Amino acid sequence: EIVMTQSPATLSVSPGERATLSCRASQSVSSNLAWYQQKPGQAPRLLIHGASTRATGVPARFSGSGSGTEFTLTISSLESEDFAVYYCQQYNIWPPGTFGQGTKVEIK
Amino acid sequence: DVQLLESGGGLVQPGGSLRLSCAASGFTFSSYAMSWVRQTPGKGLEWVSAISDSGGTTYYADSVKGRFTISRDNSKNTLYVQMNSLRAEDTAVYYCAKDRKIWGVWGQGTTVTVS
Repeated sequence: EIVMTQSPATLSVSPGERATLSCRASQSVSSNLAWYQQKPGQAPRLLIHGASTRATGVPARFSGSGSGTEFTLTISSLESEDFAVYYCQQYNIWPPGTFGQGTKVEIK
Repeated sequence: DVQLLESGGGLVQPGGSLRLSCAASGFTFSSYAMSWVRQTPGKGLEWVSAISDSGGTTYYADSVKGRFTISRDNSKNTLYVQMNSLRAEDTAVYYCAKDRKIWGVWGQGTTVTVS
């Protein structure tokens, strides 16, 4: 099973600043990587698939990059509604589609 | 609007059974594979099971294989998972989600507590 490791566990950022989240796969997943956002009490929301393709309705301030084993989610200028937990998920080797443990983006 | 609505969660004793349902609306249910994904504070998000659009092919995580059975009724636009031999580690919020590998639509979740 592919293990997904996210860093950091918690990221403290001020509104308007840039946030950079990392996700590493234990073996190559090509570009078969998705990012999800989850707010308290809500289901996850798909942000990015194919490592860099924004899902429908996702603002342009969210961007994804990387391939193979190293991936990055960048939020260019944090808005209040962006403070949440973010998960990466690989679907290159499926089943199962494995998730990272999450990065919490909190207000600094 | 595309919607998924889970039901059937609750408190069950170890070794017990529970069936979760997920009612779908706003899209052609019979054209899409569907999945169950669960979330626990300890293990985070975990894919549990998936089923093809016709229901003819099913997939399971090793952790639930032999205990859970996924099914669907396309005439009722409803997805199910029958959970038997439940264990404490099955305690989680269970989400149904549209598609097999990437989940762009999720339900609100239903809580299963095994205790």
